[in-house]
Amino acid sequence: AQKVTQAQTEISVVEKEDVTLDCVYETRDTTYYLFWYKQPPSGELVFLIRRNSFDEQNEISGRYSWNFQKSTSSFNFTITASQVVDSAVYFCALSEGRNQGGKLIFGQGTELSVKP
Amino acid sequence: KAGVTQTPRYLIKTRGQQVTLSCSPISGHRSVSWYQQTPGQGLQFLFEYFSETQRNKGNFPGRFSGRQFSNSRSEMNVSTLELGDSALYLCASSLESPGQGNYGYTFGSGTRLTVV
Repeated sequence: AQKVTQAQTEISVVEKEDVTLDCVYETRDTTYYLFWYKQPPSGELVFLIRRNSFDEQNEISGRYSWNFQKSTSSFNFTITASQVVDSAVYFCALSEGRNQGGKLIFGQGTELSVKP
Repeated sequence: KAGVTQTPRYLIKTRGQQVTLSCSPISGHRSVSWYQQTPGQGLQFLFEYFSETQRNKGNFPGRFSGRQFSNSRSEMNVSTLELGDSALYLCASSLESPGQGNYGYTFGSGTRLTVV
């Protein structure tokens, strides 16, 4: 069965601290896609990154970085030098197979609070 | 380039009524999916449409239905509303074609439905 687990419900840090959001997934498919989305108070889900199951390269985008490890079924997200504007709920999501399209399975989300 | 537009933004309905929510995808996107977000259940997949055909369906009762028009705009309908249907309903669109993998979805700001 497919499942995404974000064990951290809430994280609170002080500005400029580094913070890592954990994501563990379960799937039987060999082809799958992993995503991270950010949801600010306005409610819209903002796309951050997509990674397919054949690409285990880590990725860095500015202050954001992602660590994908198939051996541990994890896709963790790190924010370096956090800022108050990073405060939001972050969701990790899984899509299985080439034809599952928009059926994203979301984790429960991690609420990040960055205090000045 | 306009994003995904959902109307209305807020809606209050009475138990037993029905409601129709609208979603206009990004121009050129043919895939539209719908999600329900509640504090208790998190983000749950409702259904997905591609070229006017329902491609995937989540585990929701038959009171929840949707459709997609030839211009890719989509509507979802909930009949015989229950208090538990109060939620944020999110629509997302994608360029994806079947079998071509998942290019990620762009979400709208959602419709917040309150059932009283």
